[in-house]
Amino acid sequence: IAGITQAPTSQILAAGRRMTLRCTQDMRHNAMYWYRQDLGLGLRLIHYSNTAGTTGKGEVPDGYSVSRANTDDFPLTLASAVPSQTSVYFCASSDSGSNNEQFFGPGTRLTVL
Amino acid sequence: RKEVEQDPGPFNVPEGATVAFNCTYSNSASQSFFWYRQDCRKEPKLLMSVYSSGNEDGRFTAQLNRASQYISLLIRDSKLSDSATYLCVVNPREITGFQKLVFGTGTRLLVSP
Repeated sequence: IAGITQAPTSQILAAGRRMTLRCTQDMRHNAMYWYRQDLGLGLRLIHYSNTAGTTGKGEVPDGYSVSRANTDDFPLTLASAVPSQTSVYFCASSDSGSNNEQFFGPGTRLTVL
Repeated sequence: RKEVEQDPGPFNVPEGATVAFNCTYSNSASQSFFWYRQDCRKEPKLLMSVYSSGNEDGRFTAQLNRASQYISLLIRDSKLSDSATYLCVVNPREITGFQKLVFGTGTRLLVSP
């Protein structure tokens, strides 16, 4: 692995189903983030984690949960998907420090029907 | 008022042209500023950080005006490969250990032959 990866690349999901989006980084970054990107709204922060074992809510956390059991992995779970969660989801990571670059994964395109 | 505002464009320019984008931010206490580039259906990538004194990287120049709360990006001698969406990004406040960035919705640039 080089950098940050996400799986799946895309998914079509029936409403009401549970779904976990996976994110893994090999840069040993302390901080990780989940964003969703919607047309006309830009990237919005869903949840974040500044170190393993801790998580926090972003701008649009409702309907999503995260865990951070170790440094490398930061899965995002939709407990019961709804059509409004149709979006492109990006995971990102950064080293400690407020001026450090955030590195993004390639994204997951999720469609909820 | 949005925290970060950009003209969505698109800006259509010929190869070799100079083009400038502006971005305004609402939080006067914001500390860090960045321009990210996003190609179609790809993840955002850091183009450059924006420093108070202004900074240049090859054909790209970024400026920060704290008094007026705006950030600019100037691209000289535009190339076809510069066609992308440019995201203005602000870190509203310093939090030790990680960034809570606010993204603009992006300005789309199309460079034509």
